[in-house]
Amino acid sequence: NAGVTQTPKFRVLKTGQSMTLLCAQDMNHEYMYWYRQDPGMGLRLIHYSVGEGTTAKGEVPDGYNVSRLKKQNFLLGLESAAPSQTSVYFCASSYGFRAFLGKGAHEAFFGQGTRLTVV
Amino acid sequence: AQKVTQAQTEISVVEKEDVTLDCVYETRDTTYYLFWYKQPPSGELVFLIRRNSFDEQNEISGRYSWNFQKSTSSFNFTITASQVVDSAVYFCALSGGSSNTGKLIFGQGTTLQVKP
Repeated sequence: NAGVTQTPKFRVLKTGQSMTLLCAQDMNHEYMYWYRQDPGMGLRLIHYSVGEGTTAKGEVPDGYNVSRLKKQNFLLGLESAAPSQTSVYFCASSYGFRAFLGKGAHEAFFGQGTRLTVV
Repeated sequence: AQKVTQAQTEISVVEKEDVTLDCVYETRDTTYYLFWYKQPPSGELVFLIRRNSFDEQNEISGRYSWNFQKSTSSFNFTITASQVVDSAVYFCALSGGSSNTGKLIFGQGTTLQVKP
């Protein structure tokens, strides 16, 4: 199993450009998440999804959009990139609420990260 | 509001020393989960442990041990006989709430450097 795969791994954008980050998981997880990691601030949640066709805002959603058209994929879009969006982006997935009594409850599996630089 | 604080920004030890990474959390939820993740220099996030709020038993896994104390809202992580390969950023995280969406609140991270 590949686990959680993020595409691309690196990207440089000019201010104002748009792009989409793709996250794919092969563990049949219900929940998926997008986090960003900035120095000294840990990881912060951007958006998340608790199932196919549903999305919700996290702690820092401004400037981002997401879509979950298929259960295994979670896309993060930047419509007009800004230098403040320079960061490392991590996708994660986990089992849903019905599994919380089980061994793997809420253990999140993370992708390798995408390093995005906006100049 | 939920919050996780890792007051130690950086720790440097010499190999074979024991080291404890502190984690203090805040939550109003009665059911919650606490986690530790390791981020080595290669950048990926590696799951280390999950602890439920209703299970205060300490846990030991090889050289790693975790001390969960609800009375002080702490979930500290100790590495015994540290090794150079333990050098990484370590994150403590919290998840909880009635909706159980699994959203993680991370601490700022502690950078551990183990010198040979």
